[in-house]
Amino acid sequence: NAGVTQTPKFQVLKTGQSMTLQCAQDMNHEYMSWYRQDPGMGLRLIHYSVGAGITDQGEVPNGYNVSRSTTEDFPLRLLSAAPSQTSVYFCASSYSIRGLGSPLHFGNGTRLTVT
Amino acid sequence: SQQGEEDPQALSIQEGENATMNCSYKTSINNLQWYRQNSGRGLVHLILIRSNEREKHSGRLRVTLDTSKKSSSLLITASRAADTASYFCATDNSWGKLQFGAGTQVVVTP
Repeated sequence: NAGVTQTPKFQVLKTGQSMTLQCAQDMNHEYMSWYRQDPGMGLRLIHYSVGAGITDQGEVPNGYNVSRSTTEDFPLRLLSAAPSQTSVYFCASSYSIRGLGSPLHFGNGTRLTVT
Repeated sequence: SQQGEEDPQALSIQEGENATMNCSYKTSINNLQWYRQNSGRGLVHLILIRSNEREKHSGRLRVTLDTSKKSSSLLITASRAADTASYFCATDNSWGKLQFGAGTQVVVTP
C-alpha cells in the first residue's frame, strides 16, 4: 500500500510555463484534494473532488485546473506559472466526506519554484 | 482566510515535559482534526474530535474541544525528541473544505 504518491518531488519552472503535478492514491478513497503550503499561512485548499468526474474549487483556485477521470488519480495543472505560485503542494485523500468526517492522508509534497 | 489559528506559534520544551497548544476558530464546525508535520514531509493525522465530543485521547495525546468558546487544545504528555514537528489544527465546517491553521512549531530538546 503506497498511500498517496506525488510526483515530481521538486520542480523549477520559468514564468509562463505550464506543468502538471501528479497525484495518485491506492486506497480507493472517494475524496481527493490539493493544498498549497506557504510560510506562516498554513495550508490553503486549491481544488477538491468528491468522486470521479466531480471537482470543485477551494479557497485559492485561480491559475490551477484539475480533473478526476479515475478514482485513483487527481492531477493539478498550472496553466501559466507565476512567481506567486512558488509553494509546496500537497495532495490529500480521504475515505469519504459523508457522515461524520474522516481523516486526510497526505502525500509528501511537491516543492515548486517559479522564476 | 484561515478558520483555525494555533497558539503559540512556537514552543520549545525539554524531553519529559508536557506540551500544550491551542486552536481557535470562527464558525461552527462538524469536527476538528489535529495533524503533525515533520520537516520536509506531508501531514500525518493525529486525532479527529467531533462537535458533540468534549475530549479524546490517543496514546500520549489528549484533545479537548469547547464549542462554546470555539477552541480546542492538544496536549502531548511526556514529550520525546521525536515529537519535534509542526502541529496543525483543521476545522471541517463544510464537507470537503477542511481549513488549516498556520501551525505550532514544537521543538523538544533532550
